Amino acid sequence: NAGVTQTPKFRILKIGQSMTLQCAQDMNHNYMYWYRQDPGMGLKLIYYSVGAGITDKGEVPNGYNVSRSTTEDFPLRLELAAPSQTSVYFCASSYSQADYNEQFFGPGTRLTVL
Amino acid sequence: QKEVEQNSGPLSVPEGAIASLNCTYSDRGSQSFFWYRQYSGKSPELIMFIYSNGDKEDGRFTAQLNKASQYVSLLIRDSQPSDSATYLCAVMDAGKSTFGDGTTLTVKP
Repeated sequence: NAGVTQTPKFRILKIGQSMTLQCAQDMNHNYMYWYRQDPGMGLKLIYYSVGAGITDKGEVPNGYNVSRSTTEDFPLRLELAAPSQTSVYFCASSYSQADYNEQFFGPGTRLTVL
Repeated sequence: QKEVEQNSGPLSVPEGAIASLNCTYSDRGSQSFFWYRQYSGKSPELIMFIYSNGDKEDGRFTAQLNKASQYVSLLIRDSQPSDSATYLCAVMDAGKSTFGDGTTLTVKP
């Protein structure tokens, strides 16, 4: 199993550009999450999904959009990139939303907006 | 007030010592608590979770939970240089995780 994969690993965007961060998992997990991590900080939840076709906002959703058309894929869309979106983005998945469940993280995408 | 607070670092301990990492949380209804380890430039990985008051041991790691005081800690016994990393406390409630800002631990040989 590849686990949780993310592409690209690095990206530089200009202000106002758009892009999609890809995330895929092969563990048949129902639940998927997008976080951002700013330098020296913890993880902030952007969006999460409890299954195909169902998504919900997290703590910091402004400036982002998501979709979940399949169990495996959970892309994150940035529209009109801003310098404040410079961060490392982690995708994670878990088998269920039960409170005792472990989240498995992808390797991250380091995004810089100039 | 931040929902999840961790003791400010960085924390430095000599090899073989006990490292103590602390975390407090504001939501009294929180049910489960996680400790993730994150090496520099890498993604977080789970090392412990706990949901009952008291201690939970796994090898050199012990998690302690006190719901009345809204406090969870992680003890690392016989610390090794390979334990040098940032440790993130996470509190889960209704499926959503809230993370602290992390404590960076350095274990000196």
